[in-house]
Amino acid sequence: GQQVMQIPQYQHVQEGEDFTTYCNSSTTLSNIQWYKQRPGGHPVFLIQLVKSGEVKKQKRLTFQFGEAKKNSSLHITATQTTDVGTYFCAGVDSNYQLIWGAGTKLIIKP
Amino acid sequence: NAGVTQTPKFRVLKTGQSMTLLCAQDMNHEYMYWYRQDPGMGLRLIHYSVGEGTTAKGEVPDGYNVSRLKKQNFLLGLESAAPSQTSVYFCASSYSPDREGNIQYFGAGTRLSVL
Repeated sequence: GQQVMQIPQYQHVQEGEDFTTYCNSSTTLSNIQWYKQRPGGHPVFLIQLVKSGEVKKQKRLTFQFGEAKKNSSLHITATQTTDVGTYFCAGVDSNYQLIWGAGTKLIIKP
Repeated sequence: NAGVTQTPKFRVLKTGQSMTLLCAQDMNHEYMYWYRQDPGMGLRLIHYSVGEGTTAKGEVPDGYNVSRLKKQNFLLGLESAAPSQTSVYFCASSYSPDREGNIQYFGAGTRLSVL
């Protein structure tokens, strides 16, 4: 079946360093969504990318969707303690079903 | 506007007991979902519904049943709980995909332990 691989599983960074998580799909996606889950919380929708090669920014967060619509990335510049949590990508297939990545946990070292 | 509300928030069951988790949404969403989340495994879809009176199996449906008698409610039942069902359960809802592309809104979750 369709899969979305997300790496890395964990990333430890010092506050102020950058963070990136990557998602790769085995098939071409209709679009891709990103969610954030704070520790002990629930997933919260961040953004949706629809177009091939699309790049969107939300303050220090930059989201990219690959030209072939099979990969995506989330980059956070100059991490802050409020960025702590797990970031999930979810590929949307042609039937609008979500295929979830396993998530990347961002840990900020004191 | 409460969004998606799940009850209960926590529950401890003994093996073999049954229980029902309730999800209610006040956003007039057509679609509703039940997920389970286990450490390091992300979100796995149990069952979902595309409208009142309809349900469908997801990735991990065994041991669970669901019902959607009203548009705003989606119930998840465990008939005979097993320790392997210890998990955090999330309910989510969305508009029909042609409206928002299936953006999902989640409840706060139910932490279930089966002893």
